[in-house]
Amino acid sequence: NAGVTQTPKFRVLKTGQSMTLLCAQDMNHEYMYWYRQDPGMGLRLIHYSVGEGTTAKGEVPDGYNVSRLKKQNFLLGLESAAPSQTSVYFCASSRFDRGLYDEQYFGPGTRLTVT
Amino acid sequence: GNSVTQMEGPVTLSEEAFLTINCTYTATGYPSLFWYVQYPGEGLQLLLKATKADDKGSNKGFEATYRKETTSFHLEKGSVQVSDSAVYFCALRYNQGGKLIFGQGTELSVKP
Repeated sequence: NAGVTQTPKFRVLKTGQSMTLLCAQDMNHEYMYWYRQDPGMGLRLIHYSVGEGTTAKGEVPDGYNVSRLKKQNFLLGLESAAPSQTSVYFCASSRFDRGLYDEQYFGPGTRLTVT
Repeated sequence: GNSVTQMEGPVTLSEEAFLTINCTYTATGYPSLFWYVQYPGEGLQLLLKATKADDKGSNKGFEATYRKETTSFHLEKGSVQVSDSAVYFCALRYNQGGKLIFGQGTELSVKP
C-alpha cells in the first residue's frame, strides 16, 4: 500500500514550457486535491476532484488545469509556466463515506522551479 | 470568509520544554479543526483533529482543544523532543468538498 505518490519529485522549467504532474493513490479514495506551498503562506488549494471525471476550482486555479480520467489518478498541468509558479506542489486524497469526509492523506511533494 | 491564523515562527525550544503554538480561525458554521505536521523533506501528516466545540484532539503527547468561544485551537505539548522539530500547520475544514484551509505554518526547532 503506497498511499499517495507524486511524479516527478523535482523539476526545473523555463518560462513558457509546459509540464504535467502526476498524482496516484491506491486507497480507492473519491476525493483528490492539488495544493501549492509557498513560504509564509501555508498550503493553498489549486483544484480538486470529487470523483472520476469531475474537477473543480480551488483558491488559486489560474494558470493550471487538471484532469481525473481514472479514479486513482489526478493530473495537474501547467500549459505555459511562469516564475510565479515556482513552488512545492502537494497532492492529497480522502475518502467520503456516508456523508462524512475522512482525513486527507498527502503525497511527498514535487518541487518545481521556473526560471 | 474562512481563514486560519497561526503564531509566527520560527519557534526554538530546548528539549523537555513546554510548547504552545497558537491558532485562531474565522469561519461560518461549525468547521472541523486539524493540526498537521510536516517533517523535513516530507509531505504533511495528520497530527490530531477535533470535529466539534470542546472536543480535545490528542496524539503523540500533543493536545489541542476546540474553543468556539475564542475561535481557537492551540497546540500544546508538555515536554518536546528533538524529534518534534518540524513545521506545524493548523487547518479548518468546511463541508463543501471537504476542502482544507491552512494557516501559514509554524516552524519548530528543538535543541538538545
